[in-house]
Amino acid sequence: DTAVSQTPKYLVTQMGNDKSIKCEQNLGHDTMYWYKQDSKKFLKIMFSYNNKELIINETVPNRFSPKSPDKAHLNLHINSLELGDSAVYFCASSRTGTEPYEQYFGPGTRLTVT
Amino acid sequence: LAKTTQPISMDSYEGQEVNITCSHNNIATNDYITWYQQFPSQGPRFIIQGYKTKVTNEVASLFIPADRKSSTLSLPRVSLSDTAVYYCLDQGQAGTALIFGKGTTLSVSS
Repeated sequence: DTAVSQTPKYLVTQMGNDKSIKCEQNLGHDTMYWYKQDSKKFLKIMFSYNNKELIINETVPNRFSPKSPDKAHLNLHINSLELGDSAVYFCASSRTGTEPYEQYFGPGTRLTVT
Repeated sequence: LAKTTQPISMDSYEGQEVNITCSHNNIATNDYITWYQQFPSQGPRFIIQGYKTKVTNEVASLFIPADRKSSTLSLPRVSLSDTAVYYCLDQGQAGTALIFGKGTTLSVSS
């Protein structure tokens, strides 16, 4: 059973389009994240949701909007795609508490904007 | 910005023990040291975590001295499949985002 799944795995689209990436976790975690890994392999947090509530919103363009319909899902919608949005996007989840619990990452979605 | 510093790359041969050192001079009192592994085209995967002294699991060992300003990930008898990027992170309480540095690219040859 896949703990954290993402769809699609690959996404090729043109500049100006709007696209969504879906993420689901079946671990019963209450915190979910979106990370972006650019061409230089640098992983950076974009958003964090806890119990469907936005906790972290790093410096990300307004064109990116996360949506959490329930604790098991965190989708990422991107408007007006730009060339610089090309990257691999990872969803992750973890428990929440005083201990630094491990984060479980999905397989990633490789977005290519042409 | 990443709060840890580690070598950019390391080379090893199959069967050798690999030690990757990480510096975290400003680690907060309640923070842990966590290591993740990432293979090409995959998401990072948790390896090991510790607060102080030594932690060992089926994959690796983690040594953290008393001052906690550095730590060493030890991979015993590496194989070709251990070729990956290894990230050392200074991790706060659960629910907070992980701050990744550039990691250490380990290349294992036969």
